Order: sequence, then C-alpha cells, then structure tokens
Amino acid sequence: DGGITQSPKYLFRKEGQNVTLSCEQNLNHDAMYWYRQDPGQGLRLIYYSQIVNDFQKGDIAEGYSVSREKKESFPLTVTSAQKNPTAFYLCASRTNRDNTEAFFGQGTRLTVV
Amino acid sequence: SQQGEEDPQALSIQEGENATMNCSYKTSINNLQWYRQNSGRGLVHLILIRSNEREKHSGRLRVTLDTSKKSSSLLITASRAADTASYFCATQTASSYKLIFGSGTRLLVRP
Repeated sequence: DGGITQSPKYLFRKEGQNVTLSCEQNLNHDAMYWYRQDPGQGLRLIYYSQIVNDFQKGDIAEGYSVSREKKESFPLTVTSAQKNPTAFYLCASRTNRDNTEAFFGQGTRLTVV
Repeated sequence: SQQGEEDPQALSIQEGENATMNCSYKTSINNLQWYRQNSGRGLVHLILIRSNEREKHSGRLRVTLDTSKKSSSLLITASRAADTASYFCATQTASSYKLIFGSGTRLLVRP
C-alpha cells in the first residue's frame, strides 16, 4: 500500500530530553513537510523539504531540527530548546509538480511529562 | 504567520442543511486547497482550485475562488452527520513550495 507513515502515534518525553519523530513515505514524493497543531488550532509549518539533502525553515522552526538524507524519510527532532513541545505533529508529502495536493500521515501526539 | 483565515471558527447545522465556510488569504497564490480533518487524525485532501479557476465541484462540494478579494468558500450541500469534522484551507504561492494552512472551521452536523 502506498502512503505516508508517522511513528510513534503517541510519544512521551521528559523535560530536557530530545526526541525524534519518524515520517516515511513510499509515494515517491519529492517534497515533505512537518506541521505542528495545538488543540483547536490550525497547522503551523515547522520545516519543509523540496528535495533530498535540502530543507527550509517554516514559520516556527526554533527548537526543532530535521534531516533529509533519503527521499522517503524526513525525521523531525524536537530538542530541549523547544519551550512548549506538547502538541500534535503532522507530516505531509507531495510531488513537486504544480497544483498537486498533499498527503498526510496520521500524526504523532507528543506529551512532555 | 498563517496565510489563510477561515470563517466561521465553528458551525453547527442540522443534517440535510448546507454548510458554507470561508477562507481569506493575504498574498497572491498559485492554488488554494481544502482539507478535512477528523478529530485526532491526519488531514485528507478534498479539492484544489487553481488561481485561474473561479469555481469547482466535486460531489456535494462546491468551491469558489475570488482572487480579487483573496477569498474562497467551501459549500457542502445536503450535509450528513458524517461530515462532522474540521475543515482547513491551504494556499500555495507560485514562488514557493510552502503549503500554508488557515486556522480551520469546526463543523458539527446534528442528526
């Protein structure tokens, strides 16, 4: 089955720890995105990548880091510098052709305990 | 900063009624897209309208785009309880691969 997979579904982190969220896609998409969603709110763009080995900051990149070493994978690390990391994190991918839609994973809910 | 802002923030209607949601944005766009999100889940793409299109239909969905007013609307006709979800607009500019989402409209369809 083709799709985009995020893991884990739920993640608990102690304050001061870094944690990495996984995002894998087998859709052969060039572009991948990470968004943060707070309760009852919209999606805010953290990082995006148009192509392997390249990525750009979104609107709320502080406290986060990413890598894009493989086309299929775009992991997000939430560092201890992120002051309020508890949120729902969504990964998406799309082709680089004009006027195409994004496909989303099912999300990872991160809770700092 | 969020490019799109939806209106209303929440909408409650009776099954069978029509639901209209609006989206406003700030800069020139290449296309505007509407997505649906069930609670605690990922987003699902509904419909995409290009900047040179004014109206598009897909089943019970009708989307309009007014680039002069930088606004779009999503109409769901003959709503069903299963349409209960949050709906988001997203914009993509011609010069960027960014896909920027609005704040969403929470739709409740009462049986």
